[in-house]
Amino acid sequence: ELKVEQNPLFLSMQEGKNYTIYCNYSTTSDRLYWYRQDPGKSLESLFVLLSNGAVKQEGRLMASLDTKARLSTLHITAAVHDLSATYFCAVDKDFGNEKLTFGTGTRLTIIP
Amino acid sequence: DVKVTQSSRYLVKRTGEKVFLECVQDMDHENMFWYRQDPGLGLRLIYFSYDVKMKEKGDIPEGYSVSREKKERFSLILESASTNQTSMYLCASRVAGGQYEQYFGPGTRLTVT
Repeated sequence: ELKVEQNPLFLSMQEGKNYTIYCNYSTTSDRLYWYRQDPGKSLESLFVLLSNGAVKQEGRLMASLDTKARLSTLHITAAVHDLSATYFCAVDKDFGNEKLTFGTGTRLTIIP
Repeated sequence: DVKVTQSSRYLVKRTGEKVFLECVQDMDHENMFWYRQDPGLGLRLIYFSYDVKMKEKGDIPEGYSVSREKKERFSLILESASTNQTSMYLCASRVAGGQYEQYFGPGTRLTVT
């Protein structure tokens, strides 16, 4: 059974600081996705990572994938309040399996 | 832009009622999904459909059924609503074949009293 673990589950950080959210998964996969969810809202796609070593950046967020370590990171640079949200990673189990397995989410709070 | 819409943002039903949650996507995606999201439990897959009239159980199908008569529409049915089905319900769609993200609808917050 594929397991996807995120840590930390909760993260409170000051504006202007840098931090990293980790996503570990238990089986081989080279397809990983990051989502953002604002309180009371739905999930919004942030990044799609499709190969070992893939790196994507959007504003203050950068995601990377190491398929050998079965690890993805979401790095936040110089955090601002607008980045407060819950972040989920999700993994494709294997080709032919159309379902994603989601991590439990990291609730990020940026403090002014 | 992909658009996934859900019939209601908020819904209040009584125990024992039959409840229909509708989801429509406008991008001709083959795959559609229903999840429920509860605090501390993350997203849990209820049902998945990979084609018209085709469905597959997810992790928590008990108490739910689904219908997909047209490619763009995927309905979740609570045959007899119970209070433990109070939750946020999220619909998603996705192109078949992997390598593509899922697109989520805005969600329906269902309260069963």
